[in-house]
Amino acid sequence: EAGVAQSPRYKIIEKRQSVAFWCNPISGHATLYWYQQILGQGPKLLIQFQNNGVVDDSQLPKDRFSAERLKGVDSTLKIQPAKLEDSAVYLCASSPWGSYEQYFGPGTRLTVT
Amino acid sequence: DQQVKQNSPSLSVQEGRISILNCDYTNSMFDYFLWYKKYPAEGPTFLISISSIKDKNEDGRFTVFLNKSAKHLSLHIVPSQPGDSAVYFCAAENSGGGADGLTFGKGTHLIIQP
Repeated sequence: EAGVAQSPRYKIIEKRQSVAFWCNPISGHATLYWYQQILGQGPKLLIQFQNNGVVDDSQLPKDRFSAERLKGVDSTLKIQPAKLEDSAVYLCASSPWGSYEQYFGPGTRLTVT
Repeated sequence: DQQVKQNSPSLSVQEGRISILNCDYTNSMFDYFLWYKKYPAEGPTFLISISSIKDKNEDGRFTVFLNKSAKHLSLHIVPSQPGDSAVYFCAAENSGGGADGLTFGKGTHLIIQP
């Protein structure tokens, strides 16, 4: 079974630029999550999708972050404009309906200079 | 305010001995707990979990203990092996609502000494 795929793996941008990350979850997984992991911290939930609907985006900085999951499969997370404090690893995870276990992708390491 | 705390940033254990990683939580609504293992440049991988209706769950060399009254859980690895060297994250979930994102601790870096 293929795991959660993310791209790109690494991205370096200047502050005020925009960036987008892509996630392809495990086939058949209804729930998709985006987490932000700042160096030295644990992952922090940004947004949760159930199929193509948003379940929880309470911790998403909506003035600069946006996410979508079209057709209930792939998802993109966008930052516009980026700030220095957005430097982090962005992790995508998915889980089957009704399961507590989440399966993580390798993450995208973003550096904002 | 951190709802899940792992107070030991690192832990060094000799190969073959027991590794004990600790985790405390403050939110009494958490009812499901998970441990994840993370190698550098990889995403976290699920290791073991426990529901709040249990006090122990075992899977091979890994055992998780839950003390609800103390809001404390621990992960025991016996015997410890070199491949166990990684960062271990404790995570908690409130399964009562529709949103079930995990709340993570900061992690403990386990180093297994040969």
